Amino acid sequence: QSVLTQPPSASGTPGQRVTISCSGSSSNIGSNTVNWYQQLPGTAPKLLIYSDNQRPSGVPDRFSGSKSGTSASLAISGLQSEDEADYFCAVWDNSLTGTVFGGGTQLTVL
Amino acid sequence: QVTLRESGPALVKPTQTLTLTCTFSGFSLTTSGMCVSWIRQPPGKALEWLARIDWDDDKYYSTSLKTRLTISKDTSKNQVVLTMTDIDPVDTATYFCARSNFFENSGRVGRFDPWGQGTLVTVSS
Repeated sequence: QSVLTQPPSASGTPGQRVTISCSGSSSNIGSNTVNWYQQLPGTAPKLLIYSDNQRPSGVPDRFSGSKSGTSASLAISGLQSEDEADYFCAVWDNSLTGTVFGGGTQLTVL
Repeated sequence: QVTLRESGPALVKPTQTLTLTCTFSGFSLTTSGMCVSWIRQPPGKALEWLARIDWDDDKYYSTSLKTRLTISKDTSKNQVVLTMTDIDPVDTATYFCARSNFFENSGRVGRFDPWGQGTLVTVSS
């Protein structure tokens, strides 16, 4: 059971906007910045969003992050087939004195 | 260009000790702020953070696994080593190492970039 809660699956059609949620607590999301990772099949995770809403160089602006209280969200607009992947949120937890990950959301592009 | 590569045995017997090595280039663990973490992923499951070592030799461990884990660094070889004792089949996973920067959130690290490709470790008799 992960400390951060994500929906196990999400889906959308090409061009649609999809959001993935990540729910935590005051000791993690409520106190620290959230990061999102994209993991394409058979590959290592790749940093997608850091510091709640910042995109690393090279990440399309179709990807955006937001946070409110103890929850965070990843939004993907203009959905494309290559966005089909697993998405994980991650944040430092002050109580556990370590990094915690969400259970992951498998995104399917219909 | 920063790269990391994990190495270690592909097959380990239960109760043995697993030793994994992360060899990196493009940065130094003597540079203030640099950190390396180990993260694992059982087949088809979620990521799990295991341990982190910082440039100043501070170490952090997963609460649930800390009695079994030891992380260390060899700055002359640009390597970080993770040992896990009393291995069990539930430890079967792909093990990744990844870099982070202490100063990006005052040490409360959640941003890992880049990651190594990972190494699959299977625990079976």
